[in-house]
Amino acid sequence: DSGVTQTPKHLITATGQRVTLRCSPRSGDLSVYWYQQSLDQGLQFLIQYYNGEERAKGNILERFSAQQFPDLHSELNLSSLELGDSALYFCASSVGAGPTYEQYFGPGTRLTVT
Amino acid sequence: KNEVEQSPQNLTAQEGEFITINCSYSVGISALHWLQQHPGGGIVSLFMLSSGKKKHGRLIATINIQEKHSSLHITASHPRDSAVYICAVRYYLGNQFYFGTGTSLTVIP
Repeated sequence: DSGVTQTPKHLITATGQRVTLRCSPRSGDLSVYWYQQSLDQGLQFLIQYYNGEERAKGNILERFSAQQFPDLHSELNLSSLELGDSALYFCASSVGAGPTYEQYFGPGTRLTVT
Repeated sequence: KNEVEQSPQNLTAQEGEFITINCSYSVGISALHWLQQHPGGGIVSLFMLSSGKKKHGRLIATINIQEKHSSLHITASHPRDSAVYICAVRYYLGNQFYFGTGTSLTVIP
């Protein structure tokens, strides 16, 4: 158990809908990362927050948005869902924001868009 | 072009064999991570490297910054090592993470 929690574990929804994925980092970790893993594109970095501020941005679509709240939990909002958004979404956390901090991964949320 | 290449894509080994997985990248990085993903989907970070070599139990990871290459070695492989091993790099420019396509390892008893 990494100490990072993600909810829900599974989510099935229809095209065009909007969903929110939630992540709680390990106690003491200030940085949260979001990743998408799909069968055709593998793992992709979406976005990083550190202590409430956006720190780095990857291949995150305009239909997707994220934020980190004062209690350090983070939410990833996916809207106007398409079939291609079906994937595993992982959250990870680390103590610091820099690249040399070890990341601890949550169990993931499996999103299926039908 | 920010590419991360891993080899081999698939690897089958007999229990006890020494295993090497390779990762190459194209431009300057601030860090390289080796990740392990089990069949259930969970991801565990094995190593973070910015230079040199690290060892944890039967796992050894090395990085050669000049050659832009890293290797993950597993000594005395065991069936529980069966998993997908993924290399991830964080480039200086853009501060993003890029992932290799993974190496699927199966260790047969």
